[in-house]
Amino acid sequence: DAEITQSPRHKITETGRQVTLACHQTWNHNNMFWYRQDLGHGLRLIHYSYGVQDTNKGEVSDGYSVSRSNTEDLPLTLESAASSQTSVYFCASSKGDAGELFFGEGSRLTVL
Amino acid sequence: GQNIDQPTEMTATEGAIVQINCTYQTSGFNGLFWYQQHAGEAPTFLSYNVLDGLEEKGRFSSFLSRSKGYSYLLLKELQMKDSASYLCAAMDSNYQLIWGAGTKLIIKP
Repeated sequence: DAEITQSPRHKITETGRQVTLACHQTWNHNNMFWYRQDLGHGLRLIHYSYGVQDTNKGEVSDGYSVSRSNTEDLPLTLESAASSQTSVYFCASSKGDAGELFFGEGSRLTVL
Repeated sequence: GQNIDQPTEMTATEGAIVQINCTYQTSGFNGLFWYQQHAGEAPTFLSYNVLDGLEEKGRFSSFLSRSKGYSYLLLKELQMKDSASYLCAAMDSNYQLIWGAGTKLIIKP
């Protein structure tokens, strides 16, 4: 069955360290997204991609970067982790512009 | 600006009916989504409305009024497993999703 997986599921790191969260989907979807979810906020878009070599900034992109070298993967990198980046991160993919999103199980990141 | 409003929390009784409202303001409109999210899990798709009216899918129905910027999710014959957060999201003219903060639904026996 097609799926979308994230790793690691839980990570604790220190301020200033570089962190990469992996996202891998086997749906063969062109569209991939990274969101963060914090209490009291809706899902907030960090970065998104509509295909290989395409990346775009979302509403909360500062301090994050992504790359899309193939259809299946969209890794999210925190260049220098900050305590404000403590959050649950969800990767998602969709087939088309208005297609439903399929979410990964989430990665809980704690920055100390 | 773009905005989604939905109640923070609702409580209902097992076997009853509950309606979760959502109002939205977006730059353009390409549809309204509802997702269900159990605690500690990923959101999962429930429904999509782009035309006015009611869409029924088993115990769940979703309604849209584009002129009023309003949608609701109706859950019938509530079960304990329906305890979850329900996320409303509107798609703007750039096909970007604007998310509400979610409504936590508590089901009591």
